[in-house]
Amino acid sequence: DGGITQSPKYLFRKEGQNVTLSCEQNLNHDAMYWYRQDPGQGLRLIYYSQIVNDFQKGDIAEGYSVSREKKESFPLTVTSAQKNPTAFYLCASRTWGTDTQYFGPGTRLTVL
Amino acid sequence: KQEVTQIPAALSVPEGENLVLNCSFTDSAIYNLQWFRQDPGKGLTSLLLIQSSQREQTSGRLNASLDKSSGRSTLYIAASQPGDSATYLCAGSAVNFGNEKLTFGTGTRLTIIP
Repeated sequence: DGGITQSPKYLFRKEGQNVTLSCEQNLNHDAMYWYRQDPGQGLRLIYYSQIVNDFQKGDIAEGYSVSREKKESFPLTVTSAQKNPTAFYLCASRTWGTDTQYFGPGTRLTVL
Repeated sequence: KQEVTQIPAALSVPEGENLVLNCSFTDSAIYNLQWFRQDPGKGLTSLLLIQSSQREQTSGRLNASLDKSSGRSTLYIAASQPGDSATYLCAGSAVNFGNEKLTFGTGTRLTIIP
């Protein structure tokens, strides 16, 4: 099946720890995105990548880092510098020539 | 800076009724406007995308319209069904960023009452 996978579905982290969220797509899409969703708020863009080995900050990049070493993978690291990391994280991808972003199922991160 | 608003935050209607969901945006220089559906605890599913040069798009029982001059988009759902229950989000993208920066509304949580 083609699609976007995110793992794990649920993730628990102790304060002060870094954690990495996985996002993989087998759609051969060029661009990939990370969003954060909080209750009562719209999705906010964290980082995006248009091509391999290149990525751009979104609106709320502080405390996060990403890499794009392979076209199909765009992992997000939530660092200890992120003061309020508990949220639902969504990954998306898009191919050139289309406008629609396709979303993964999300990872819910909880800081204990 | 683009701001997107969706009112009401929640809506309940009896099964079979037609309904309209509203989306307002502040910057008329919009590249496109998209409507998504989100089921609880899940990712987003794209429903309809309207380019800035278009006024509406249709898919099955769904029809989305775009009025840039008034800064409004509506999603019309005909003959609602319990399976339509979900949160509906609209998102606009800015002209200067193309598709790279979507600004999302906070969503309308729709409940269809059997």
